[in-house]
Amino acid sequence: AQSVTQPDIHITVSEGASLELRCNYSYGATPYLFWYVQSPGQGLQLLLKYFSGDTLVQGIKGFEAEFKRSQSSFNLRKPSVHWSDAAEYFCAVGIIQGAQKLVFGQGTRLTINP
Amino acid sequence: NAGVTQTPKFRILKIGQSMTLQCTQDMNHNYMYWYRQDPGMGLKLIYYSVGAGITDKGEVPNGYNVSRSTTEDFPLRLELAAPSQTSVYFCASSPASLSYEQYFGPGTRLTVT
Repeated sequence: AQSVTQPDIHITVSEGASLELRCNYSYGATPYLFWYVQSPGQGLQLLLKYFSGDTLVQGIKGFEAEFKRSQSSFNLRKPSVHWSDAAEYFCAVGIIQGAQKLVFGQGTRLTINP
Repeated sequence: NAGVTQTPKFRILKIGQSMTLQCTQDMNHNYMYWYRQDPGMGLKLIYYSVGAGITDKGEVPNGYNVSRSTTEDFPLRLELAAPSQTSVYFCASSPASLSYEQYFGPGTRLTVT
């Protein structure tokens, strides 16, 4: 069955430090992969997506993610975090199961230390 | 465009009461979805719709019902509310283009006591 695993429930980094959030997926076909961000009390906003082609994809707010098929991973990175990046981050894989759907990971909550 | 709107933002229900969560999108998207979000559990799909008049169950449909009479609206009905339905509910929509990208509403926080 399709699944997405985000191994880190909570990560704390200092402002200005680099960030990597991990995501592993399980899907038989070529995956369509997404990262969404949820600020406190808000809905989910798309950060970036991977469909095909270049395995390093750029997103909004200075985020990027790298697709590694051999590791079934799609990790999210940012070179220098800002206090406003504190949020919950969700990785998702797009599937066809009756209709196009997204399967989400459990989420990683990011805290930024000043 | 307002995108995806949800009402109400917050609601407290007593056990056994019923209510409807409203969801409207103005992007002419064919696909619409309802999710619930519980702490540490990510988002679970409750129901989805591929167009007006067509709905289907997702992963966790028990205790909920939906209808889709128009492209724009996709209300979620809770009958006989139970404490297990305390959650944050999100509505989302997606164009029928195999883009998979979903656009989310701001959510409804529901407490059942």
